[in-house]
Amino acid sequence: NAGVTQTPKFRVLKTGQSMTLLCAQDMNHEYMYWYRQDPGMGLRLIHYSVGEGTTAKGEVPDGYNVSRLKKQNFLLGLESAAPSQTSVYFCASRTAGDYTGELFFGEGSRLTVL
Amino acid sequence: AQKITQTQPGMFVQEKEAVTLDCTYDTSDPSYGLFWYKQPSSGEMIFLIYQGSYDQQNATEGRYSLNFQKARKSANLVISASQLGDSAMYFCAMRRYGNNRLAFGKGNQVVVIP
Repeated sequence: NAGVTQTPKFRVLKTGQSMTLLCAQDMNHEYMYWYRQDPGMGLRLIHYSVGEGTTAKGEVPDGYNVSRLKKQNFLLGLESAAPSQTSVYFCASRTAGDYTGELFFGEGSRLTVL
Repeated sequence: AQKITQTQPGMFVQEKEAVTLDCTYDTSDPSYGLFWYKQPSSGEMIFLIYQGSYDQQNATEGRYSLNFQKARKSANLVISASQLGDSAMYFCAMRRYGNNRLAFGKGNQVVVIP
């Protein structure tokens, strides 16, 4: 019953460091998403992917890069972390072509940039 | 662009009472889906209920029901017979059909008191 798994769950970075968040899903979903959640802001879409080898920008893509080399994995990278990227990051996935399909979320990854 | 508005301040509700959470949205597209998610203090995102813009009846799932008023662009969540475990943040979200993005409101905080 893994569903959507995010690693790491917690991370502290210094300004300028780089890191990668890994999202893995075992539901054979086509679509995958990265959101960030900040207090009072709800969830905002960073990047998403509609299939292996494809990615697209969301609402707040600046400072992030993503890759979808395998269908089950979606990586979110921060090349040079900034304090403004302190947030909780959620990965989500869903089936393609199902308009009623809800997103299945991971448990979140809390990132602090000092 | 799709915009979802949740403006209620934090709400306190007595156990066993009903509570209504307001959500309004803005889209010129006639085809869309509306979702509600629950986020307890543990942080995970839990899907509650879905309403399609062409659905003739309001959606219901157990103690959750959606008061959908298409002309007003309103999709309020009603939780009946509140339980202590209903204390959480609740997010309204919308996806236009043919669009891969799910956009979220900023959330409503609910605290159920015994």
